[in-house]
Amino acid sequence: KNEVEQSPQNLTAQEGEFITINCSYSVGISALHWLQQHPGGGIVSLFMLSSGKKKHGRLIATINIQEKHSSLHITASHPRDSAVYICAVRGHTGKLIFGQGTTLQVKP
Amino acid sequence: GAGVSQSPSNKVTEKGKDVELRCDPISGHTALYWYRQSLGQGLEFLIYFQGNSAPDKSGLPSDRFSAERTGGSVSTLTIQRTQQEDSAVYLCASSTHQETQYFGPGTRLLVL
Repeated sequence: KNEVEQSPQNLTAQEGEFITINCSYSVGISALHWLQQHPGGGIVSLFMLSSGKKKHGRLIATINIQEKHSSLHITASHPRDSAVYICAVRGHTGKLIFGQGTTLQVKP
Repeated sequence: GAGVSQSPSNKVTEKGKDVELRCDPISGHTALYWYRQSLGQGLEFLIYFQGNSAPDKSGLPSDRFSAERTGGSVSTLTIQRTQQEDSAVYLCASSTHQETQYFGPGTRLLVL
């Protein structure tokens, strides 16, 4: 079993839909990251959080430390949101452990 | 520059040759990380430098892989006697201690 599990692996949505991507982890962490990777592109850090909730534009990230679970929500999704979304947890040593990623396609 | 830079952006080499990949972190960032992403696979941690501490090498897949960070800034990842399974995108990231990591564009390595 992977230390970081994401679901779903693949997600197709219509423009405007509300999207949720889930991440569960089994190790102790100091922080959790949500990353975005566009096809052929680099990786961008969307959020780093260790408790509660963060919001940036149409993106919202939540974390429940007790349940070892985080969610990334996208409101009013748009085709430009199409990308791979990666959950990564930072252990107490500082290195990141990555989930397998969720491939999101938003259709117009 | 403002971001993390890596060079070369692409590298094609023959099996058995050595390669060196370079990472220039954001100025002032004390932490530097190397990761790789094989085709169709997730991201994999390789090595982590934090200030003057001994690096965390626990992710290096074999003794053919090594990395150094000179003067607390630029880092070089060296792969000796490359194998086809080394083909991947090698990503570097930097951060201030325990903060958000900023990723470079990666070096795409192809071993023929």
